Amino acid sequence: EPEVTQTPSHQVTQMGQEVILRCVPISNHLYFYWYRQILGQKVEFLVSFYNNEISEKSEIFDDQFSVERPDGSNFTLKIRSTKLEDSAMYFCASSEFWQAGSYEQYFGPGTRLTVT
Amino acid sequence: AQSVTQPDIHITVSEGASLELRCNYSYGATPYLFWYVQSPGQGLQLLLKYFSGDTLVQGIKGFEAEFKRSQSSFNLRKPSVHWSDAAEYFCAVGAKEYGNKLVFGAGTILRVKS
Repeated sequence: EPEVTQTPSHQVTQMGQEVILRCVPISNHLYFYWYRQILGQKVEFLVSFYNNEISEKSEIFDDQFSVERPDGSNFTLKIRSTKLEDSAMYFCASSEFWQAGSYEQYFGPGTRLTVT
Repeated sequence: AQSVTQPDIHITVSEGASLELRCNYSYGATPYLFWYVQSPGQGLQLLLKYFSGDTLVQGIKGFEAEFKRSQSSFNLRKPSVHWSDAAEYFCAVGAKEYGNKLVFGAGTILRVKS
């Protein structure tokens, strides 16, 4: 069964460093998302991406964050200068062409980011 | 603003007993609804979904959920719980009008006692 994959599973970085979290969405999916879950809190939407551009972003997704689809398979989240409060589990998700009525999002296993 | 409430933080049931996890939402549009399950150290697995049509939907692992528009609820049920069902369960809501992003509830941790 196709699945979303994410690398690395755990990333430790120092405050102020740049990190790139990587995701490989399901191959025929067209919409890509990043969510995060701070320990003990809700899963929160960060950004959605379609047709090589951001379609929506939350207020969390400030100038320190960026997303990219560098090739036909990968989808990345970059945090330019990490802060302690960026420590969280980051989930990538993908979905099909939802205008056709397929709205479910499939999630990857997550990357746990620890900022020290 | 859109919101999802899962009023039970923890629930403990005996193996073989029935289960109902509650989810209420507040949304300014016609919602589509999901239940996801997360086992420790794992990602979010889709259990079931509701977009339209029959308000009782079946999912994987023997779970079902019923959409009740009048109560703004989408409760998850299982007639007989297995020890392997112990996990955290998340209700999530989305709508085309809000760009397809999902809004999640806080989650309910299910413990199963033998």
